[in-house]
Amino acid sequence: DAKTTQPTSMDCAEGRAANLPCNHSTISGNEYVYWYRQIHSQGPQYIIHGLKNNETNEMASLIITEDRKSSTLILPHATLRDTAVYYCIVRESNSGYALNFGKGTSLLVTP
Amino acid sequence: KAGVTQTPRYLIKTRGQQVTLSCSPISGHRSVSWYQQTPGQGLQFLFEYFSETQRNKGNFPGRFSGRQFSNSRSEMNVSTLELGDSALYLCASMGFGGRAESSYNEQFFGPGTRLTVL
Repeated sequence: DAKTTQPTSMDCAEGRAANLPCNHSTISGNEYVYWYRQIHSQGPQYIIHGLKNNETNEMASLIITEDRKSSTLILPHATLRDTAVYYCIVRESNSGYALNFGKGTSLLVTP
Repeated sequence: KAGVTQTPRYLIKTRGQQVTLSCSPISGHRSVSWYQQTPGQGLQFLFEYFSETQRNKGNFPGRFSGRQFSNSRSEMNVSTLELGDSALYLCASMGFGGRAESSYNEQFFGPGTRLTVL
């Protein structure tokens, strides 16, 4: 799986958009970008994933650059409940289901 | 639909003992993965089972083992416990196939078992 780099921590004001970047410059053509988050004392929760097109669901949007070397997870209107560690994961679709979580970004949403 | 359940939620053992943790996946899910989470190493993949067969294994010593039953329930066992085995052990289940092309290819995690080794 390609290595990912994320900022260690970020702050965001409640109600504003939270933009979480992820660098995956060594991503290969058949690798997907996944985002999970872990709220304190809970198991990780899937957010969204994509291959090369931008994706949107009820939780977030995923913007992948044209060269696929980086992506941004967007929480359009962050709430206090979005405070969590966010993990960007890159892996092949057929490499089994082991997720390499890395260190993630600790997002703090403030009132 | 009930989520992933793990038992027990908390466990205290002493060095040298062994422990068995249990995971019941979401009904209909056939893939179960186990992860270890510690402050120093973060979330690390232990192994994954699908239809009672271990399909993937992480880089952990042989003291860590697991199995899956015909009803997809899974257990993991740690023998000869060490202080460093203190961690949150998470189980995740995924639906049949779990192909990345599917919009439902996510792993659903349980709340974890907090193991403390004294």
